[in-house]
Amino acid sequence: EDQVTQSPEALRLQEGESSSLNCSYTVSGLRGLFWYRQDPGKGPEFLFTLYSAGEEKEKERLKATLTKKESFLHITAPKPEDSATYLCAVTGTASKLTFGTGTRLQVTL
Amino acid sequence: ETGVTQTPRHLVMGMTNKKSLKCEQHLGHNAMYWYKQSAKKPLELMFVYNFKEQTENNSVPSRFSPECPNSSHLFLHLHTLQPEDSALYLCASSQELDTQYFGPGTRLTVL
Repeated sequence: EDQVTQSPEALRLQEGESSSLNCSYTVSGLRGLFWYRQDPGKGPEFLFTLYSAGEEKEKERLKATLTKKESFLHITAPKPEDSATYLCAVTGTASKLTFGTGTRLQVTL
Repeated sequence: ETGVTQTPRHLVMGMTNKKSLKCEQHLGHNAMYWYKQSAKKPLELMFVYNFKEQTENNSVPSRFSPECPNSSHLFLHLHTLQPEDSALYLCASSQELDTQYFGPGTRLTVL
């Protein structure tokens, strides 16, 4: 059975304080690893898809990386508007998207 | 309208009521999904429709009944729900089971 574990569960940063969120996974035949951002009471917003180890993608202050066992979401010089829950998910040969429980990020002034 | 839309955004119902959730996608995708999101739990996949055919039913109780009349519309019919069914219900769509795009969700409260 596919599994996704995200850490930390919650993270509080000051504005400009860079950090990384971790997503560890086990999956049979990785077809894709996905990062989403979710604001309270809203649906997840797609950020990145990574398909193979060594792949990296960037969008503004966010950078996602992938190895054979884990993915990191690096946040550089975060701003208060980056506060949200970040979700990681994987799809394997079963073609079913398995989510982690998320990391709740709070960025303060 | 763009992306994935869901109505209603909020729903309060009694255990004996019958109601329906609606999802519409404007992305030209051929697969649609229903998920349940409860506090401090991962998103739980409920149903998958690929080319209007149900391809997955993740052991969901029969009080939840999906309907997919075409590749752009998806419904979730609800009847005789329990208080533990209170959650955020999310609809998503994708092309060929690739990256999924989510709607804003329906916050359901069962009294």
